[in-house]
Amino acid sequence: QKEVEQDPGPLSVPEGAIVSLNCTYSNSAFQYFMWYRQYSRKGPELLMYTYSSGNKEDGRFTAQVDKSSKYISLFIRDSQPSDSATYLCAMSAEGGYQKVTFGTGTKLQVIP
Amino acid sequence: DGGITQSPKYLFRKEGQNVTLSCEQNLNHDAMYWYRQDPGQGLRLIYYSQIVNDFQKGDIAEGYSVSREKKESFPLTVTSAQKNPTAFYLCASDRGRPSNQPQHFGDGTRLSIL
Repeated sequence: QKEVEQDPGPLSVPEGAIVSLNCTYSNSAFQYFMWYRQYSRKGPELLMYTYSSGNKEDGRFTAQVDKSSKYISLFIRDSQPSDSATYLCAMSAEGGYQKVTFGTGTKLQVIP
Repeated sequence: DGGITQSPKYLFRKEGQNVTLSCEQNLNHDAMYWYRQDPGQGLRLIYYSQIVNDFQKGDIAEGYSVSREKKESFPLTVTSAQKNPTAFYLCASDRGRPSNQPQHFGDGTRLSIL
């Protein structure tokens, strides 16, 4: 079993829809949670960065972490065609050097 | 603007040839990383460096080598010992531990076999 599981999609939604992207994980030591957006032939771009459980909002994006369920989510409100990309979740533990573990990515397509 | 510059964008390797991928950052970050990205797989760590003149193997270091002579630069050499080098290579950096700040990435180098 992979340490981080992420549905690869593709996920197709109409413009304006609310998108929910999710990851589950097995390592209870993970404390830092990240979401990256990656356009085709580009490097990942950091979208959200959270510590421990709770919600964080930034514009149309909301990140949720539920450590009791080992489940994290990224919500995109009023989705736009420019949101079409692959979304990677990532997480790491606390203390010293801790490797970042990435999900395989979910490909999102927002249809105009 | 601060960022991470990877070059070249595309690279072709012949059999038996070593090739070097460049990564330069002007973010004043202490730590730098090399990842390999293959379709359907998460990013896999090749090498990382927390400080100048020091680096550590990641999960898939075989067939690769690195150097860290300057804080800004972390070149990756793909040697002829790497039998399946075709992939998208990503360089990243962060402030290093114990800051626990997230990694930032360059735009990658796509390596293919001729």
